[in-house]
Amino acid sequence: ETGVTQSPTHLIKTRGQQVTLRCSSQSGHNTVSWYQQALGQGPQFIFQYYREEENGRGNFPPRFSGLQFPNYSSELNVNALELDDSALYLCASSVDRGQQETQYFGPGTRLLVL
Amino acid sequence: GNSVTQMEGPVTLSEEAFLTINCTYTATGYPSLFWYVQYPGEGLQLLLKATKADDKGSNKGFEATYRKETTSFHLEKGSVQVSDSAVYFCALFSGGYNKLIFGAGTRLAVHP
Repeated sequence: ETGVTQSPTHLIKTRGQQVTLRCSSQSGHNTVSWYQQALGQGPQFIFQYYREEENGRGNFPPRFSGLQFPNYSSELNVNALELDDSALYLCASSVDRGQQETQYFGPGTRLLVL
Repeated sequence: GNSVTQMEGPVTLSEEAFLTINCTYTATGYPSLFWYVQYPGEGLQLLLKATKADDKGSNKGFEATYRKETTSFHLEKGSVQVSDSAVYFCALFSGGYNKLIFGAGTRLAVHP
């Protein structure tokens, strides 16, 4: 069984640029959540996707957007990057919306904004 | 709103010492509770969970009991190893918002 995978592992961007991060959910999982983990802090919920629809959103501005594809993989897009967007971005998948509380995390993408 | 509070780290122990990392929560209703572990340079791994009051989650020698009366979910291990050195996160699932809410994390360093 393949776990959650994310790409790229590391990324460096400059302020004002746009970035796309990718996530493949664990086999058999149809729900994907994204979290932002700033250095030295716990992860913060960005949003969740279930069957290609947004299914909950945290306190993040609209320049954070996402997609989920028919194969349940997902993208996180961030426009107009700011220095404070530098963080580890974690993707997590769960079996179904009814069992979404147990989430399995990928290794993360570390984004540095200069 | 819902929140999780963990003891501040770092926690530094000698190998084979007893570990306790305190976690308390504030929530409406009875959320499921989790402990995740993050090794250096890696993502989060689910360590254990408990879904209702008095449930005990356990894995790899770690244990935590869901205490509704004290709104706590303290992590314990009887004998830590150097390989247990990591950051430990306590979390609750907020069903109304479809999200996990994490504490700030507690760094554990175990030396030989």
